[in-house]
Amino acid sequence: GEDVEQSLFLSVREGDSSVINCTYTDSSSTYLYWYKQEPGAGLQLLTYIFSNMDMKQDQRLTVLLNKKDKHLSLRIADTQTGDSAIYFCAESPRGYNKLIFGAGTRLAVHP
Amino acid sequence: NAGVTQTPKFQVLKTGQSMTLQCAQDMNHEYMSWYRQDPGMGLRLIHYSVGAGITDQGEVPNGYNVSRSTTEDFPLRPLSAAPSQTSVYFCASSSAGTGNYEQYFGPGTRLTVT
Repeated sequence: GEDVEQSLFLSVREGDSSVINCTYTDSSSTYLYWYKQEPGAGLQLLTYIFSNMDMKQDQRLTVLLNKKDKHLSLRIADTQTGDSAIYFCAESPRGYNKLIFGAGTRLAVHP
Repeated sequence: NAGVTQTPKFQVLKTGQSMTLQCAQDMNHEYMSWYRQDPGMGLRLIHYSVGAGITDQGEVPNGYNVSRSTTEDFPLRPLSAAPSQTSVYFCASSSAGTGNYEQYFGPGTRLTVT
């Protein structure tokens, strides 16, 4: 079946690194995504990784993919208060024109 | 480009009433989708469309109707509003492209059914 799981809450101190974890079930997923939702807004694509990659780095963001364990993580370096948001992991099972979302991880950044 | 637009931003309905949640995109995307977002449950797919004239059911389609008469528009209609349909609704669009289903989201419509 299709299922994406994330922990619901993460609290970090400003300046520290944040690591948000996600597990997914569909090994056919070609792309895996991280979306960010700020309060009262829609979802914005942060980054995505193709399934034949292990790692992708984009400025302060690092995505790690472990296909064997079906585990995806998002690391945010030097976390700032502006990074406070809900982060959603999503997969796109092959052959389906849709995304399967996790429940979202609320990241709280405190001074 | 305006991207994906949704109207209204807020709507309050009484049980049994009906209305239409509007969604439009100006990116000439083939795929459009409707999701609902409930606390602690992430986004769940209601209906989606792979092109004008074609719609299909998602994970939670019951109680909703959609149509896709043009590429640009994908309205969602709760058939007879129920309190269980109180939620935030997001419309999204994406290009068929190369299998990358990156979706562009609208700002959402908050629907309250009393």
